[in-house]
Amino acid sequence: KQEVTQIPAALSVPEGENLVLNCSFTDSAIYNLQWFRQDPGKGLTSLLLIQSSQREQTSGRLNASLDKSSGRSTLYIAASQPGDSATYLCAVSNTDKLIFGTGTRLQVFP
Amino acid sequence: NAGVMQNPRHLVRRRGQEARLRCSPMKGHSHVYWYRQLPEEGLKFMVYLQKENIIDESGMPKERFSAEFPKEGPSILRIQQVVRGDSAAYFCASSDRTNEKLFFGSGTQLSVL
Repeated sequence: KQEVTQIPAALSVPEGENLVLNCSFTDSAIYNLQWFRQDPGKGLTSLLLIQSSQREQTSGRLNASLDKSSGRSTLYIAASQPGDSATYLCAVSNTDKLIFGTGTRLQVFP
Repeated sequence: NAGVMQNPRHLVRRRGQEARLRCSPMKGHSHVYWYRQLPEEGLKFMVYLQKENIIDESGMPKERFSAEFPKEGPSILRIQQVVRGDSAAYFCASSDRTNEKLFFGSGTQLSVL
């Protein structure tokens, strides 16, 4: 049974810092891995999708890497801003559905 | 191109009533997924549907819950005889193919009194 774990559970940083969010999963036979952002009371916004054959994806200040064999992914956020404050969710797909981690709640203060 | 539309945004029901949650996928998407998010917990998969077919309902409780995605119209998640433990945010997502990028709606917050 696939299990997805995210650490840390919460993170508070000053504006401008570079930071790394971690995701690990127990079954390496995945099709893809996605990172999402969830704002309070809102739905999820897809940030990055990494196919199983890929090592990383970049979008703006975000970079996500995937090490399938070790069951790990990291989301790197450069030059963090208060607007980045949200919960970040990692999800893996190894059958026909996404399995989510419990998220990292990020607060970036001015 | 409208995103995934869910309604209502908020739904209040008394114990024993029925709740119907609607989801219109993005235009051109024929795959719909329902997830439930309990307070302070992650999203849990409930059911995966394609037009007129339930593909995977392994995450949906056997009693009281049902889902459909008819040929015409939105996908419906139906909860009969709601109990307080059903209070949660219910999210719908759609994609145009299996294991492709999912687009989520804003969710329906169900509160059972």
